[in-house]
Amino acid sequence: GAVVSQHPSRVICKSGTSVKIECRSLDFQATTMFWYRQFPKQSLMLMATSNEGSKATYEQGVEKDKFLINHASLTLSTLTVTSAHPEDSSFYICSARLAGGTDTQYFGPGTRLTVL
Amino acid sequence: GESVGLHLPTLSVQEGDNSIINCAYSNSASDYFIWYKQESGKGPQFIIDIRSNMDKRQGQRVTVLLNKTVKHLSLQIAATQPGDSAVYFCAENSGGSNYKLTFGKGTLLTVNP
Repeated sequence: GAVVSQHPSRVICKSGTSVKIECRSLDFQATTMFWYRQFPKQSLMLMATSNEGSKATYEQGVEKDKFLINHASLTLSTLTVTSAHPEDSSFYICSARLAGGTDTQYFGPGTRLTVL
Repeated sequence: GESVGLHLPTLSVQEGDNSIINCAYSNSASDYFIWYKQESGKGPQFIIDIRSNMDKRQGQRVTVLLNKTVKHLSLQIAATQPGDSAVYFCAENSGGSNYKLTFGKGTLLTVNP
């Protein structure tokens, strides 16, 4: 149980284009989903907290107009990187917390974004 | 700066030995801690968790110890196997309603056959 999927697993795009990443909780409902980014050999950095049916809460320094987050249902959250640039290249990982559950977050497999 | 940190960035052990990975945290309000394992190119995998009202919790081949006096967390892996090679992160939740986790820097565990 507690499986989280992400799609796509890898994406390569040209500078200036937008990329959408999906995060799904497959066998549970997630009131809250989180989006992280991770650079090579570094820890996970929280970008934003996404609650179903409400606006995402962004961490300090994360541009909400560049990283659009939508949490339309209890099993799906999307992250759209708008007007991507090479510095946005990173490993993006989502996690989900069980609705009514504990603080435990279950992570997706991650999405490798490369912006040319 | 980081509120959760690790003493050892790398750890190399022989197959079959026991491994101990350490983590220091600075937020005394943290009441929930999790250890994650991350293999190269993959998302973090939940290993074990512990709440602040406990000082020890055991799972399959893993034990987490919590010392609130010195704000120290450790993960012990018994009979370490090559498949245990990965980066291990500790994470803490300070008890806020947003359920956010703060991650430590990570320790790279290498198991030599």
